[in-house]
Amino acid sequence: KAGVTQTPRYLIKTRGQQVTLSCSPISGHRSVSWYQQTPGQGLQFLFEYFSETQRNKGNFPGRFSGRQFSNSRSEMNVSTLELGDSALYLCASSLELGLSDPQYFGPGTRLTVL
Amino acid sequence: DAKTTQPTSMDCAEGRAANLPCNHSTISGNEYVYWYRQIHSQGPQYIIHGLKNNETNEMASLIITEDRKSSTLILPHATLRDTAVYYCIVRRKNAGNMLTFGGGTRLMVKP
Repeated sequence: KAGVTQTPRYLIKTRGQQVTLSCSPISGHRSVSWYQQTPGQGLQFLFEYFSETQRNKGNFPGRFSGRQFSNSRSEMNVSTLELGDSALYLCASSLELGLSDPQYFGPGTRLTVL
Repeated sequence: DAKTTQPTSMDCAEGRAANLPCNHSTISGNEYVYWYRQIHSQGPQYIIHGLKNNETNEMASLIITEDRKSSTLILPHATLRDTAVYYCIVRRKNAGNMLTFGGGTRLMVKP
């Protein structure tokens, strides 16, 4: 079974631009979560989707948004990019929302904002 | 929050067992302990999880103390490829799928 895939793997943008990142979960998985990883802040939760509904949101500004489609694929969008948005963005999927359902991470998208 | 405490770094000789401790003294009933690892610049890799009983899979063993206040991840025969940051995480009951990552333990496996 294929793992979580994320596209693109690398991205370079300039301040003020916007960016859309894509995540395809493992087949059959209905939950998708997004995380940001930076050297200073570590791994931080962005948001979580299940059945096309946002179930949980981390402490990030409104410039960060996401959505999930009926096939469980998810996208996240960052508008008005800032230098501090440079990070590794990780997507994770799980079957359901249960505490005993592991999340499986993709390889990430490395975003560089110049 | 059921926070976790892990040593910042550990060394292990190749071929020996690596025992990574984690303290989670405020864990509540029905909260699971999860272990992930992250090799440099890759996405975190799920290793194992448990509730009360010890668990074993092809990657590792998880030993949870009877009072559930601490656990140990055991890599039975560490290889150089096991060099990574290991994260111990307690899944909160009302947090959906949100994982709260701490600093983890940087395990260095040496030849």
